[in-house]
Amino acid sequence: AQKITQTQPGMFVQEKEAVTLDCTYDTSDPSYGLFWYKQPSSGEMIFLIYQGSYDQQNATEGRYSLNFQKARKSANLVISASQLGDSAMYFCAMREGPPDYKLSFGAGTTVTVRA
Amino acid sequence: NAGVTQTPKFQVLKTGQSMTLQCAQDMNHEYMSWYRQDPGMGLRLIHYSVGAGITDQGEVPNGYNVSRSTTEDFPLRLLSAAPSQTSVYFCASSSRRGTKTQYFGPGTRLLVL
Repeated sequence: AQKITQTQPGMFVQEKEAVTLDCTYDTSDPSYGLFWYKQPSSGEMIFLIYQGSYDQQNATEGRYSLNFQKARKSANLVISASQLGDSAMYFCAMREGPPDYKLSFGAGTTVTVRA
Repeated sequence: NAGVTQTPKFQVLKTGQSMTLQCAQDMNHEYMSWYRQDPGMGLRLIHYSVGAGITDQGEVPNGYNVSRSTTEDFPLRLLSAAPSQTSVYFCASSSRRGTKTQYFGPGTRLLVL
């Protein structure tokens, strides 16, 4: 069964605008973590933001914020004030609890920022 | 501090050949894992290890073997390469309790002809 679902294969956004990338997840584990990674065309995986299942507040890291809706099992990434350098593939991932802490990834969303 | 290193960066194999993808980390991380990335499918877990001497299968383990004789190294072996194993392979590590950050290596691009 798919644990992480990203329904947007590709998105276009105008420079300086905000964009929201959708992510839903499925787990029965009460303890889990949600991650977003950026993969530019150069191929490396860049960690962006993390949200723990017990965290009360939504995570923020600079221009990145995570809209965590636990009851809906949703963990959307919001990128504010998009820049040309934000053009990349974005992956949502979930780490379930002990003992294995396995990380499951969604299929990714390609973001293209237009000048 | 090199983080997670992978060698080689790129490899071409013929069907039936065997090879080992190397992964090493210098952060004393207990957890290490191998993923493959195929177009449109995100990263899929091949094998993982929660400590030296302990390995387990992930989502797509067939055709791959791993061992973890030391904390630092986690090699991935392709026993008899097949074209379906053409992919980009990432190694990752994290400290105990699966903290916020998984450190990824730069990846190995493998082409099987």
